[in-house]
Amino acid sequence: DAKTTQPTSMDCAEGRAANLPCNHSTISGNEYVYWYRQIHSQGPQYIIHGLKNNETNEMASLIITEDRKSSTLILPHATLRDTAVYYCIVRINAGNNRKLIWGLGTSLAVNP
Amino acid sequence: GAVVSQHPSWVICKSGTSVKIECRSLDFQATTMFWYRQFPKQSLMLMATSNEGSKATYEQGVEKDKFLINHASLTLSTLTVTSAHPEDSSFYICSAAGLGGIYGEQYFGPGTRLTVT
Repeated sequence: DAKTTQPTSMDCAEGRAANLPCNHSTISGNEYVYWYRQIHSQGPQYIIHGLKNNETNEMASLIITEDRKSSTLILPHATLRDTAVYYCIVRINAGNNRKLIWGLGTSLAVNP
Repeated sequence: GAVVSQHPSWVICKSGTSVKIECRSLDFQATTMFWYRQFPKQSLMLMATSNEGSKATYEQGVEKDKFLINHASLTLSTLTVTSAHPEDSSFYICSAAGLGGIYGEQYFGPGTRLTVT
């Protein structure tokens, strides 16, 4: 699976949009981009995933560049409860190969 | 939907004893379950993958005789840490995945904090 690069930490003001970047320049054509987050001392929470089209759900939007070498997770109106470590992971979606390889993620602090 | 529970949420045990952690998918059938370990300020590290009714596949460096995994049903997997030592103290997290659709993704339990004294 391709590796990802994320900033170590970011800050965001409450109520503003949080834009979390991720570089995955070695992504393969059949690899998806996944985003999870982990609030302190809890299990990770699935946020969103996509292949090449932009995606949106009730939690966030995922913008993937046309060359698929990078993506941005957007939390449109960040709240204090969005403070967490955000992980960007790329993996194939084939058969039983659903392993997720975790990096260190981005620690997002939402400030009042 | 897609709720995964773990029990216990925390446990303290003495060195040399064994501890069993349960992982349950509450509202879907989990054909595959994953077990992770996370040390403070580190990322999740995959320990093993188990498919229902099959032996678990362990990641390199994980002792299968020490970390016993059982996935006997589509809703339950257990991890037993045998002869626990202080260095086994960690946050253990399971995840469960179904066959497809929204249940094809991994959904995570809340984690179990193990402290070995």
